[in-house]
Amino acid sequence: DAGITQSPRHKVTETGTPVTLRCHQTENHRYMYWYRQDPGHGLRLIHYSYGVKDTDKGEVSDGYSVSRSKTEDFLLTLESATSSQTSVYFCAVQGGDQNTEAFFGQGTRLTVV
Amino acid sequence: AQSVAQPEDQVNVAEGNPLTVKCTYSVSGNPYLFWYVQYPNRGLQFLLKYITGDNLVKGSYGFEAEFNKSQTSFHLKKPSALVSDSALYFCAVRVNAGNNRKLIWGLGTSLAVNP
Repeated sequence: DAGITQSPRHKVTETGTPVTLRCHQTENHRYMYWYRQDPGHGLRLIHYSYGVKDTDKGEVSDGYSVSRSKTEDFLLTLESATSSQTSVYFCAVQGGDQNTEAFFGQGTRLTVV
Repeated sequence: AQSVAQPEDQVNVAEGNPLTVKCTYSVSGNPYLFWYVQYPNRGLQFLLKYITGDNLVKGSYGFEAEFNKSQTSFHLKKPSALVSDSALYFCAVRVNAGNNRKLIWGLGTSLAVNP
């Protein structure tokens, strides 16, 4: 699992509440990613980071924000959760070389009711 | 636009038979290609990659993939399927632009290996 821990693994929350998901890595990888996985859509990139305090938007970033204050932690915040954000969220990490593969966490299943 | 296509949503194969999961891509420049597998309720696991060199690459669990530049394809293959190979398979291609190491993903192919 390349030392990746996602927390929580499961969460149920109410519409309108803020939610923060955490991704923690132990291998000092430079790049970190947040994806969501939904049936029929595959994996969609939400945000990514290429270093401490360096982040950028992915293809489905609306309603999400991220922070990376330390190399090992990448936080994803749903500012005001909506039912459309019910999904499985995956964190991934990757080393600096462009030919290296990404490694994924086990996922967080988020339900917004 | 850069893209990855997995033309089959589902592939069914009998145990012991060879399997192929198809992937085609459209990117500018030289692609870095990857295959991942996802078992139920698990994260994605890396299977193999093509960076350069030999067009046939070997990976985990007996899988291999053939890079075909003229057909812009990177099909995943295994000579003899196992029931335990039943899973969701994703093809991905990397494009490089500065700090961008993003992967472009196919939508996945569900492989069912029948006993």
